[in-house]
Amino acid sequence: NAGVMQNPRHLVRRRGQEARLRCSPMKGHSHVYWYRQLPEEGLKFMVYLQKENIIDESGMPKERFSAEFPKEGPSILRIQQVVRGDSAAYFCASSPRPTERANYGYTFGSGTRLTVV
Amino acid sequence: QKEVEQNSGPLSVPEGAIASLNCTYSDRGSQSFFWYRQYSGKSPELIMSIYSNGDKEDGRFTAQLNKASQYVSLLIRDSQPSDSATYLCAVNAGGFKTIFGAGTRLFVKA
Repeated sequence: NAGVMQNPRHLVRRRGQEARLRCSPMKGHSHVYWYRQLPEEGLKFMVYLQKENIIDESGMPKERFSAEFPKEGPSILRIQQVVRGDSAAYFCASSPRPTERANYGYTFGSGTRLTVV
Repeated sequence: QKEVEQNSGPLSVPEGAIASLNCTYSDRGSQSFFWYRQYSGKSPELIMSIYSNGDKEDGRFTAQLNKASQYVSLLIRDSQPSDSATYLCAVNAGGFKTIFGAGTRLFVKA
């Protein structure tokens, strides 16, 4: 039973290029979350998605960043025209459906380390 | 602004001792509380979840929650060098977003 699958593990992009990060949730999980982690810092929430729906994108920068979770295939986090400040580890997590009273903990993927040169 | 605060450490304890990690949160409506362990260069791993006031034990780990004080802690008994990692406190206020603290680095000296 595969866990959360993220690829690529490492991604190097030149300034101005596009970065595409992919995430397949754990089997049976329909909720996907993207977090960004800068060196020596905690995880910062970016976006929460269900299949074909963006539920909460309050942590996404207003420009250049977008996310989707299509009916078929993995969730995609897209960063257009990357800049050096986008260099970070990007983690995807999945969970079962949250209930009104409790939110289940996350299972994280191995992350994508993006380096912008 | 909902916040989760942790002492960044490092916290250094000798092998076999009890490590005590603390966390405070600002949103009184928070309902779910988690501790994750993150080794250097790796992804976070869920080690404990707690939803009610009091203690919850799982092996060498005990999570403690005090909602009145907005405080959650993690105790690691019989600490081992393999416990050396960054421990992330995470809080969910019943919505869809879990807020993470910046983490406490723990070093267990052999």
